[in-house]
Amino acid sequence: DTEVTQTPKHLVMGMTNKKSLKCEQHMGHRAMYWYKQKAKKPPELMFVYSYEKLSINESVPSRFSPECPNSSLLNLHLHALQPEDSALYLCASGRLTDTQYFGPGTRLTVL
Amino acid sequence: TQLLEQSPQFLSIQEGENLTVYCNSSSVFSSLQWYRQEPGEGPVLLVTVVTGGEVKKLKRLTFQFGDARKDSSLHITAAQTGDTGLYLCAASNNAGNMLTFGGGTRLMVKP
Repeated sequence: DTEVTQTPKHLVMGMTNKKSLKCEQHMGHRAMYWYKQKAKKPPELMFVYSYEKLSINESVPSRFSPECPNSSLLNLHLHALQPEDSALYLCASGRLTDTQYFGPGTRLTVL
Repeated sequence: TQLLEQSPQFLSIQEGENLTVYCNSSSVFSSLQWYRQEPGEGPVLLVTVVTGGEVKKLKRLTFQFGDARKDSSLHITAAQTGDTGLYLCAASNNAGNMLTFGGGTRLMVKP
């Protein structure tokens, strides 16, 4: 099983809303990632969790807040987003050594 | 900063034609992945190559990792309309916990 699941599939929110994106994997991977992808561009790394600890934050604004409740779950809490934050948000997991497996993504629209 | 240059950026061909996509860098990578992505979906892993000179085949797709582990190619034989999508190469550093993405190749196969 190489499946990473993400919910919701689509999300529309206003700039004053608080929402959360969820990601789950049951492959025993100890690294989990959040990426942001704009149209026709490759994914851009936001956060890396290694053994449930935040190991890399790629200078992401504080309106994005990641959380790793356990080794299978990864959340991204959203608050006071801007319209330019609209994008496809991808979660990925891996064994820390090479291949990353991506989820289907959450299409976020900020009004 | 490790850069991964992918070419061509865009390719439009007729069904049945062959094509090759290239991924080049001046850096040595521990492994390299190829992904295929459809609009609004997450990247789907096609292959991981780890050994210099390695060649892997996946039906009509042939992947090659350069001898020096600095470059890779993806060759598609007799392209089909279902091959249409964004092809991404991504390489891991020695730490393995971060991927460097190429800029992507947008392939359109016309019937």
